[in-house]
Amino acid sequence: AQSVTQLGSHVSVSEGALVLLRCNYSSSVPPYLFWYVQYPNQGLQLLLKYTSAATLVKGINGFEAEFKKSETSFHLTKPSAHMSDAAEYFCAVSRNSGGYQKVTFGIGTKLQVIP
Amino acid sequence: DAEITQSPRHKITETGRQVTLACHQTWNHNNMFWYRQDLGHGLRLIHYSYGVQDTNKGEVSDGYSVSRSNTEDLPLTLESAASSQTSVYFCASSEPGSEQFFGPGTRLTVL
Repeated sequence: AQSVTQLGSHVSVSEGALVLLRCNYSSSVPPYLFWYVQYPNQGLQLLLKYTSAATLVKGINGFEAEFKKSETSFHLTKPSAHMSDAAEYFCAVSRNSGGYQKVTFGIGTKLQVIP
Repeated sequence: DAEITQSPRHKITETGRQVTLACHQTWNHNNMFWYRQDLGHGLRLIHYSYGVQDTNKGEVSDGYSVSRSNTEDLPLTLESAASSQTSVYFCASSEPGSEQFFGPGTRLTVL
């Protein structure tokens, strides 16, 4: 079984401040981990992914995430928030089983950026 | 450029009617998925397919069906629409073990 927990359904930061969105996962096998972003009235798009290579993963728009196996975490960070970062962010865990892929999404964290 | 499209983007229907939502991808991906997105629930998997003629139930499959007759399309059918099926529906596709590519969504309202 696998699951994803995103701590905080809403996060507010000031423009220019650090963004930290938390994600903890559980998985019985080494996972693949993803962060997606959803802007209003759009589908999800990939920010970054971890696939068992480097533990610090850099994504688009200045975001990065660090895989910490001991903490079963994959938190998303950005040093300085921009107004355009206001969106909903989803963490997802994926595992392959017999060639098939099972993906589980978190419930999402809505990021508000305050000018 | 490869893409994944959904139609219609918005649909209003009445309780009891059959509704079909279309999903078409040009990525040539074997894996295709249907999700619904509701406030407080995130994305929930309805049905998925790992290839032509393959379909599988997700966690919220009751009242929905899919068919996969070719690689590009995975239409989602609501057999008899209910108000509880008012939601935003997303289609996605992927290669095994890789990220999913999402369509723009269909907003369905069942009156």
